[in-house]
Amino acid sequence: NAGVTQTPKFQVLKTGQSMTLQCAQDMNHEYMSWYRQDPGMGLRLIHYSVGAGITDQGEVPNGYNVSRSTTEDFPLRLLSAAPSQTSVYFCASNVRVNTEAFFGQGTRLTVV
Amino acid sequence: AQKITQTQPGMFVQEKEAVTLDCTYDTSDQSYGLFWYKQPSSGEMIFLIYQGSYDEQNATEGRYSLNFQKARKSANLVISASQLGDSAMYFCAMRGSGGGADGLTFGKGTHLIIQP
Repeated sequence: NAGVTQTPKFQVLKTGQSMTLQCAQDMNHEYMSWYRQDPGMGLRLIHYSVGAGITDQGEVPNGYNVSRSTTEDFPLRLLSAAPSQTSVYFCASNVRVNTEAFFGQGTRLTVV
Repeated sequence: AQKITQTQPGMFVQEKEAVTLDCTYDTSDQSYGLFWYKQPSSGEMIFLIYQGSYDEQNATEGRYSLNFQKARKSANLVISASQLGDSAMYFCAMRGSGGGADGLTFGKGTHLIIQP
C-alpha cells in the first residue's frame, strides 16, 4: 500500500522557473491538501481540495496553483519560483474531515 | 481564525519518565478535531492521536494519551514511559468545521529529546 506519494524528493530551482510538485494517493481519499514547513515553524496550509474539481486556498496560497482533475492526484504548481518559496512541502490526504491526515514523505525545494 | 499555541520549544526528559507536551488552541467552531503528530529527524509526519471536540473520554493510543480540557482549550499530549525513540518534533494541530475541510492548523512544535 503506497499511501501518499510525492515526487520529487529534492529539487533545486532558479528564481523565475516554474515547476510542478506531484502528489498521488491510492487510498481513495476525498480530502487532499498541501502544506509548507519552514524552519522553526509548524506546517502551514497552502491549498486544499475536498474532491475532484474542487479546490480552495489555505493560509499561504500566493505563488502557488493547484487543480484536482482526479481523486488520486493533487499537483502543486509554482508559477515563478522565488527564494521565499524555499521550504519543505508536504502533501496529505484524509478520508473524512476529522480523521487523521496521511502525509507524503515531503519535497525539499531550494530556490536560488 | 484558528490558532494553536505550543509554549515549549524544547524539552529534555530522562528515559522512562512520563512527558507532557502542552497545547492550547483557539477557535470559534463548536465542532473541531485535535491531532498530535510526531516528526522524527528523518522528516516524515506520523499521526499519534486524535480527539474530537464532542468526545467525552480522553483519547488514548498505546503510550500516548491526550489530556483534553475543553473549558481551558487545552489538549496536552502525555507520553508514558518515554523511550529514546520518542526523541522528535511534536506538533499539535486542529481542524475546524468551517467549510468542512479547511485543512489542519499547526502549532510551531516542541522538540523533545529523551536522554538515557
